[in-house]
Amino acid sequence: NAGVTQTPKFQVLKTGQSMTLQCAQDMNHNSMYWYRQDPGMGLRLIYYSASEGTTDKGEVPNGYNVSRLNKREFSLRLESAAPSQTSVYFCASTGWSVETQYFGPGTRLLVL
Amino acid sequence: QQQVKQSPQSLIVQKGGISIINCAYENTAFDYFPWYQQFPGKGPALLIAIRPDVSEKKEGRFTISFNKSAKQFSLHIMDSQPGDSATYFCAAIPMDSSYKLIFGSGTRLLVRP
Repeated sequence: NAGVTQTPKFQVLKTGQSMTLQCAQDMNHNSMYWYRQDPGMGLRLIYYSASEGTTDKGEVPNGYNVSRLNKREFSLRLESAAPSQTSVYFCASTGWSVETQYFGPGTRLLVL
Repeated sequence: QQQVKQSPQSLIVQKGGISIINCAYENTAFDYFPWYQQFPGKGPALLIAIRPDVSEKKEGRFTISFNKSAKQFSLHIMDSQPGDSATYFCAAIPMDSSYKLIFGSGTRLLVRP
């Protein structure tokens, strides 16, 4: 089992460019999440998908969109990147026990 | 907005010492309190968790203490080792939205040899 995989691992964008962060899990989990991690801010929830076919906003959804493509895949899209979106992005998934979230290795995004 | 406040932001402990990280929450509508450990360059991973009807839980050198009346919970790492050097996050699951975790801001722990 690969667990939770994320691509790319690192990306540099210019302001205004768009990109999609990909996430996939092979644990047959129902729920998937996107977080951003900034120094001193902890992990902040951007969007989550409680089950296939549903998505909901988290704490910081502005500037992002998501797609739950199927049960395995949950993508995060930045339509017009801004320097404030420079961060490390983590995807996570969970089965029946929400307290046990499995995180991917992260994507480091730099927006110039 | 529901919040979980974590302190200290950073902590330096000598090998063999006790590391203590504290968290507090602002309302009573939380159902479960997990702690996550994150090593540099990696994603966080569940370390230990406690339910609000339990005052203490111990797993090896790691102990969670929970004080419901004070709305506080803490992580104690006994006999701290250099391999424990990592960032630790407390978290809580809101009762009204059981799909989500609310994370604290994190504590960067450095255990010196």
